[in-house]
Amino acid sequence: AQKITQTQPGMFVQEKEAVTLDCTYDTSDQSYGLFWYKQPSSGEMIFLIYQGSYDEQNATEGRYSLNFQKARKSANLVISASQLGDSAMYFCAMRGRISSGSARQLTFGSGTQLTVLP
Amino acid sequence: DTGVSQNPRHKITKRGQNVTFRCDPISEHNRLYWYRQTLGQGPEFLTYFQNEAQLEKSRLLSDRFSAERPKGSFSTLEIQRTEQGDSAMYLCASSLLEREQYFGPGTRLTVT
Repeated sequence: AQKITQTQPGMFVQEKEAVTLDCTYDTSDQSYGLFWYKQPSSGEMIFLIYQGSYDEQNATEGRYSLNFQKARKSANLVISASQLGDSAMYFCAMRGRISSGSARQLTFGSGTQLTVLP
Repeated sequence: DTGVSQNPRHKITKRGQNVTFRCDPISEHNRLYWYRQTLGQGPEFLTYFQNEAQLEKSRLLSDRFSAERPKGSFSTLEIQRTEQGDSAMYLCASSLLEREQYFGPGTRLTVT
């Protein structure tokens, strides 16, 4: 079974500063994918960034980067230069190996509510 | 490039009634997923289609739930004999490859 743990229910950050949102995962699969999604108060889940388990480089997408530490089974999201519009719920998610019966679904953590302060 | 759309956005129904939700995926995406999200939690997987074939179903999907994807385009999720515990946000997502899934705005169901 796969499990995602996000231990920070809420985080505050000052505008223009960087913030790290924690995510640890548990899986017995060798091949897996890790995702971060943003969910504003409007409710829509917005894809931010993806990291494959065999990717040697940490993924980056604009102001988002994923600090992937495979041995520690962590996939923390780093948001640089925070903006007021970054205030939202952030979910870490995992997808398992394609050949398994439950490979296509995403398993989500419980989320971190980020508030950016002006 | 339009995103995933879902209708209705909100649904209020009385316990025991049937409801049906619709999802229109991104046009070239052959994979479609349904998730359920309750307040304060992350989404939970319900079911998955590749083209018109329903390939996976979660144990969360009781016999009162049924999903279809005729012709591999839009999908419907029907809940029969709704219960108060069915109140949640129902999210649809689609993907082209086995990577990121793109989500719709969701349908918020309230069962009174």
